[in-house]
Amino acid sequence: GNSVTQMEGPVTLSEEAFLTINCTYTATGYPSLFWYVQYPGEGLQLLLKATKADDKGSNKGFEATYRKETTSFHLEKGSVQVSDSAVYFCALLSGGYNKLIFGAGTRLAVHP
Amino acid sequence: NAGVTQTPKFQVLKTGQSMTLQCAQDMNHNSMYWYRQDPGMGLRLIYYSASEGTTDKGEVPNGYNVSRLNKREFSLRLESAAPSQTSVYFCASGIGDRANTEAFFGQGTRLTVV
Repeated sequence: GNSVTQMEGPVTLSEEAFLTINCTYTATGYPSLFWYVQYPGEGLQLLLKATKADDKGSNKGFEATYRKETTSFHLEKGSVQVSDSAVYFCALLSGGYNKLIFGAGTRLAVHP
Repeated sequence: NAGVTQTPKFQVLKTGQSMTLQCAQDMNHNSMYWYRQDPGMGLRLIYYSASEGTTDKGEVPNGYNVSRLNKREFSLRLESAAPSQTSVYFCASGIGDRANTEAFFGQGTRLTVV
């Protein structure tokens, strides 16, 4: 079946450090891929997405590239801020089933 | 802009009690979802509805029922609550088109079963 695997957290960084959160997926066909972010006490909101191989999604300084050959969609940011502290979820949408499947989430804590 | 509205925000139930979590969206979306979020397990899909009048099981449907009352509303019912159903529940909706789907989430319902 379809699944998403994320690196375990928490990830603790100093402000302005480089961030990578790994995400790999298993899916039939060609899923769309997403990163969602959840700030404390809130629901999830879309951070970025990519709908086909080699697409790069980007938003708020975050980037992720859809790599079909490695079935990966790693999230990166060159310089994190304290305000980026949140839980990040990788997700896929399987076109044939019309449902979003999420990874377990990775908590990011950024310290001044 | 209301988006996705869930009620209630908090609820405490005794084991064996029943309740219905309500969800409504005002974005004319076809797809709606119910997830539960548990520490270390991320979001797990309980049920989803690809369109009005259809519902399908997700990963963890046992102990739950759903109703897609109309295009706007998708309710989740616990017939006999158990402590294992203590969780944060999220409703979401989306267009349902593979290329354009973004899921919009409600604020969540924190449910405790004692």
